[in-house]
Amino acid sequence: GQQVMQIPQYQHVQEGEDFTTYCNSSTTLSNIQWYKQRPGGHPVFLIQLVKSGEVKKQKRLTFQFGEAKKNSSLHITATQTTDVGTYFCAGMGEAGGTSYGKLTFGQGTILTVHP
Amino acid sequence: SAVISQKPSRDICQRGTSLTIQCQVDSQVTMMFWYRQQPGQSLTLIATANQGSEATYESGFVIDKFPISRPNLTFSTLTVSNMSPEDSSIYLCSAVGRYYEQYFGPGTRLTVT
Repeated sequence: GQQVMQIPQYQHVQEGEDFTTYCNSSTTLSNIQWYKQRPGGHPVFLIQLVKSGEVKKQKRLTFQFGEAKKNSSLHITATQTTDVGTYFCAGMGEAGGTSYGKLTFGQGTILTVHP
Repeated sequence: SAVISQKPSRDICQRGTSLTIQCQVDSQVTMMFWYRQQPGQSLTLIATANQGSEATYESGFVIDKFPISRPNLTFSTLTVSNMSPEDSSIYLCSAVGRYYEQYFGPGTRLTVT
């Protein structure tokens, strides 16, 4: 079945440093989504990438979708303490497949930011 | 976006008993899902809650253990049956938005003693 690997598992940064998490799927995806889960909270949708090579930005966050639609990355510039949490990528299988509509979540990257 | 509520938010149950978790969406949605998440871990999909038909379960999850109802387009329940300590986890429901993004409920933290 579809697998989504995410690294690193943990990242500790000083406030102001950059942060990147990487996601790789075993199969081609129709889209990839990113979620943020604050400590004690539930996952919150951040963004969806659909097109090959797509790049989207949300303020200090930059999301990329690979050309082969199998990998993705989230980069945060100049981290702040409000960025603390777990960042999950989640891949959706190709349209027409049995897994379409369902998401396979990566393991998540736990980000801690030291002030 | 959709707003999801879940009840109960947490519970402590004895082994061998059952607990039903309710999930309410503030708008009609086509797809709803149930997940399980151990603290500090990723989300594992339990099943797709289908309106008007039986839920579709992922590998490792069965209807006898996790019966699901979906009586309409805004509501679903998940029952955790004959509980054991291994069922202690956070259970999350989600609703799928217009572009297949998912909106999650706040979760139900279950502890089985």
